[in-house]
Amino acid sequence: NAGVTQTPKFQVLKTGQSMTLQCAQDMNHEYMSWYRQDPGMGLRLIHYSVGAGITDQGEVPNGYNVSRSTTEDFPLRLLSAAPSQTSVYFCASSYDREEQYFGPGTRLTVT
Amino acid sequence: SQKIEQNSEALNIQEGKTATLTCNYTNYSPAYLQWYRQDPGRGPVFLLLIRENEKEKRKERLKVTFDTTLKQSLFHITASQPADSATYLCASSSNTGKLIFGQGTTLQVKP
Repeated sequence: NAGVTQTPKFQVLKTGQSMTLQCAQDMNHEYMSWYRQDPGMGLRLIHYSVGAGITDQGEVPNGYNVSRSTTEDFPLRLLSAAPSQTSVYFCASSYDREEQYFGPGTRLTVT
Repeated sequence: SQKIEQNSEALNIQEGKTATLTCNYTNYSPAYLQWYRQDPGRGPVFLLLIRENEKEKRKERLKVTFDTTLKQSLFHITASQPADSATYLCASSSNTGKLIFGQGTTLQVKP
């Protein structure tokens, strides 16, 4: 099993550009989520999904969109990048909302 | 608002000693608490989960306690080793079922 994979590992965007962070898991987990991690702030939930076709907002959803067309994939879209979105982004999946399996992260810089 | 707090100051201890990390929660009663380990540049890795009706849980050199009166969880690593050096994150279920993370405590074990 590859577990949770994320691409790209690093990305630099200019303010106003859009992009999609990819996340995939091969564990057949229904529950998937996106977090951002900033120094001193811990992990903050952006969006999550409890199954294909179902998504909901987390703590910091503004400026981000998600969709879940398959069980395996949960992409995160930045609509118009802003410097405040400079962060490390982690995707996670779980079987039962409890033990979370995290991907390796995407380090995003917005200039 | 629902909050989880961990000591943001790094914990430095000598090899062989017991490390004790603290996680406090306020304004809610989580059904469970989780502990994760995070190494630099990597995603968090799940270690232990303890439910509100459990006072203590152990896994090898790790021990977690859950005190609902003090609204606190303690995470112990006995016979600590330099390889235990990492950031440890506490997380809990919120009233809405979403996971809330603390900001993490960095542990440095010196040989």
